[in-house]
Amino acid sequence: GQNIDQPTEMTATEGAIVQINCTYQTSGFNGLFWYQQHAGEAPTFLSYNVLDGLEEKGRFSSFLSRSKGYSYLLLKELQMKDSASYLCAVRDGDYKLSFGAGTTVTVRA
Amino acid sequence: DTAVSQTPKYLVTQMGNDKSIKCEQNLGHDTMYWYKQDSKKFLKIMFSYNNKELIINETVPNRFSPKSPDKAHLNLHINSLELGDSAVYFCASTQSGVEQYFGPGTRLTVT
Repeated sequence: GQNIDQPTEMTATEGAIVQINCTYQTSGFNGLFWYQQHAGEAPTFLSYNVLDGLEEKGRFSSFLSRSKGYSYLLLKELQMKDSASYLCAVRDGDYKLSFGAGTTVTVRA
Repeated sequence: DTAVSQTPKYLVTQMGNDKSIKCEQNLGHDTMYWYKQDSKKFLKIMFSYNNKELIINETVPNRFSPKSPDKAHLNLHINSLELGDSAVYFCASTQSGVEQYFGPGTRLTVT
């Protein structure tokens, strides 16, 4: 089975940094994904980690430790438009993604 | 030039009815999915097709029947709709199972 945990909500100030943690226990592992979903919209791909370490993409970075079953998404220089839900997902096999319940991030001025 | 499109965007219907949702992708991807996102925003996979072949079939009531006429299309037919079927249904596609591209979603409301 799949068990993917992430905090329900986080609040931060514009310009600050927020770190969203994700822990997972899954029957198989073939990569960890982060998706962003604004209210009323479709999820959009942010990052993908399959090996341990940090992947940086502009203001967003994602880290993976496979031995600890742990990942985080780091959002730097927060902007109001970053207010959204962030979904952690684990790929099991070649095609199946299992999602966590999502973390709603609210950015305040 | 939409990548993944779904119709309809909104669907309001009564219990017991049968309805279909259509999905099309113009990305040339070989794998397509249906997901259900409930009121708590939990996104759960339902089905997946790879080159028109069913490869993922999660524990979903058999009132739900997917159909893929070709690689670019994946439809979802739902029989005897129930209140609990109310949700947003997302179609997605991928090539080689990495990044998935999601459609805009179909908000189904069963009354």
